[in-house]
Amino acid sequence: EAQVTQNPRYLITVTGKKLTVTCSQNMNHEYMSWYRQDPGLGLRQIYYSMNVEVTDKGDVPEGYKVSRKEKRNFPLILESPSPNQTSLYFCASSTIPFFPYGYTFGSGTRLTVV
Amino acid sequence: DAKTTQPPSMDCAEGRAANLPCNHSTISGNEYVYWYRQIHSQGPQYIIHGLKNNETNEMASLIITEDRKSSTLILPHATLRDTAVYYCIVRPNFGNEKLTFGTGTRLTIIP
Repeated sequence: EAQVTQNPRYLITVTGKKLTVTCSQNMNHEYMSWYRQDPGLGLRQIYYSMNVEVTDKGDVPEGYKVSRKEKRNFPLILESPSPNQTSLYFCASSTIPFFPYGYTFGSGTRLTVV
Repeated sequence: DAKTTQPPSMDCAEGRAANLPCNHSTISGNEYVYWYRQIHSQGPQYIIHGLKNNETNEMASLIITEDRKSSTLILPHATLRDTAVYYCIVRPNFGNEKLTFGTGTRLTIIP
């Protein structure tokens, strides 16, 4: 089954403790992206990657890092999480050029930083 | 600048048709209208898209006005499982522009 898999689904952590949220897709998509979703603000893009070793900032990159060493994986790294990074996170993938009906999202990771 | 305008919320009775409007008065000739929905904090899901003709698939119908400045997503026989946030997005059918979501319409299906 074609899918984007995120782990973990839920995570509670403490301020300053480094964490990684994994994202993997099995569709051989070139493009991968991370979004965060907060009440009243909709989905905002954090980082994206057009292919292996090619990443770029989205709209809200502060406090996050990403890497794209393999085509299928695009982990999101919070080196020193803070409470304002408490949010619902989604990974997405797509072909390039984008056909928006081909955008596939993961099931989400709900992160709480205390 | 917001490309689309949607009402923040709507209710619809179960079994009735749900009609969700979207205004996109600045749409350009190569931009399509896409609809996604997000059910209770799951990842957004593609529903339907169109350029200028009305479209129908197994999930919904899309009616685009002749001037293309607005459209309506129709869920013909709404069920409780259709309760979700619905996003109307305009963008070219292909290209490197990212998918940008607004705040959408929260549709509640009433039993």
